[in-house]
Amino acid sequence: DQQVKQNSPSLSVQEGRISILNCDYTNSMFDYFLWYKKYPAEGPTFLISISSIKDKNEDGRFTVFLNKSAKHLSLHIVPSQPGDSAVYFCAASGGGADGLTFGKGTHLIIQP
Amino acid sequence: SAVISQKPSRDICQRGTSLTIQCQVDSQVTMMFWYRQQPGQSLTLIATANQGSEATYESGFVIDKFPISRPNLTFSTLTVSNMSPEDSSIYLCSVFGGTSSYEQYFGPGTRLTVT
Repeated sequence: DQQVKQNSPSLSVQEGRISILNCDYTNSMFDYFLWYKKYPAEGPTFLISISSIKDKNEDGRFTVFLNKSAKHLSLHIVPSQPGDSAVYFCAASGGGADGLTFGKGTHLIIQP
Repeated sequence: SAVISQKPSRDICQRGTSLTIQCQVDSQVTMMFWYRQQPGQSLTLIATANQGSEATYESGFVIDKFPISRPNLTFSTLTVSNMSPEDSSIYLCSVFGGTSSYEQYFGPGTRLTVT
């Protein structure tokens, strides 16, 4: 049973436009949500996170929105740049000493 | 954030053999995590390793198959035992870090191919 779902395996966006990556979760015990970016042959790189007491967190070009009632979060990247082309993973945690539960990832392709 | 290194970066192993993966962190950390990413799949938590205690394994992972050592606060090893082709994966270690207590930072990974 997949507790964190990223339903879009891939997404193609034109350079300069907004990229929106979506993530749904089923476990109500998750309190923290994170986004990671991964290039081939590298480990995941932490991008941005949000706790369940907030509905928005912004860091430069990256904004994460959390809709707790819908159990849905999204990552907005604006403007999209060629270097943003990578696989993006959504992850969730119950906090404390918990490890992370990951979605299957979305391959973002930024087209010139 | 902590700097994490892993050895080896990749290996090709014969079925039935074992491989030990090392994870080194540049600062002392209480907890270290081991994950696996099978081809085309998500990252899955294998176990959590605290210094001075037995590792805690997630459902579907057992100590006989994935023994873990945590001899000090900067180092851990994961052994993949009696390997089969299904063990071909990227193995990653991670630690808590950053401004929030729940953020995890990952090593570069070890790409294992079992033939």
